[in-house]
Amino acid sequence: EPEVTQTPSHQVTQMGQEVILRCVPISNHLYFYWYRQILGQKVEFLVSFYNNEISEKSEIFDDQFSVERPDGSNFTLKIRSTKLEDSAMYFCASRETSGSSPGELFFGEGSRLTVL
Amino acid sequence: SQQGEEDPQALSIQEGENATMNCSYKTSINNLQWYRQNSGRGLVHLILIRSNEREKHSGRLRVTLDTSKKSSSLLITASRAADTASYFCATDRAQKLVFGQGTRLTINP
Repeated sequence: EPEVTQTPSHQVTQMGQEVILRCVPISNHLYFYWYRQILGQKVEFLVSFYNNEISEKSEIFDDQFSVERPDGSNFTLKIRSTKLEDSAMYFCASRETSGSSPGELFFGEGSRLTVL
Repeated sequence: SQQGEEDPQALSIQEGENATMNCSYKTSINNLQWYRQNSGRGLVHLILIRSNEREKHSGRLRVTLDTSKKSSSLLITASRAADTASYFCATDRAQKLVFGQGTRLTINP
């Protein structure tokens, strides 16, 4: 069964360092998402991406964050200068359809980011 | 504004009992979806109900949607220990899903 894969599963970094989280969405999906979940809290929307551009982003997704689909398969989330409060589980998701007939999201297992 | 607020926040029942979780939301939606998350894992889609549907079944799951009250419920019948997880409703507004706080369900053997 096709699945969304994420790497790394866990990354520990120092405050101020750049981090890149990688995702391989399901191959025929067109819509891509990043969510984050601080331990014990709700799953928060960060950004949606379609046709090589951001469709929507949340207030959390400030200029320290960026997304890219560099090669048609990988979908990356970059945090330029990490802060302690960026410590969270980051989930990538994809789906085939959106708009007037949106379908389910398929989530990866997440990348746990710990900022020290 | 908050979307997809579940209640209760936590629910603990005996194996074999039914579990009901509720979700309320504030704006119009295309559809509402329920997801499950085992501790430390990714979210897994359970069921999707469209805004023009009132009830949907999938195995031991039953979902209802009342758009006039902006609420939905998820019923798990004949619960099993393996159903222990967090359950989230998510409202779909085309460009994104917005998740609620979730209900932590514990099934006691």
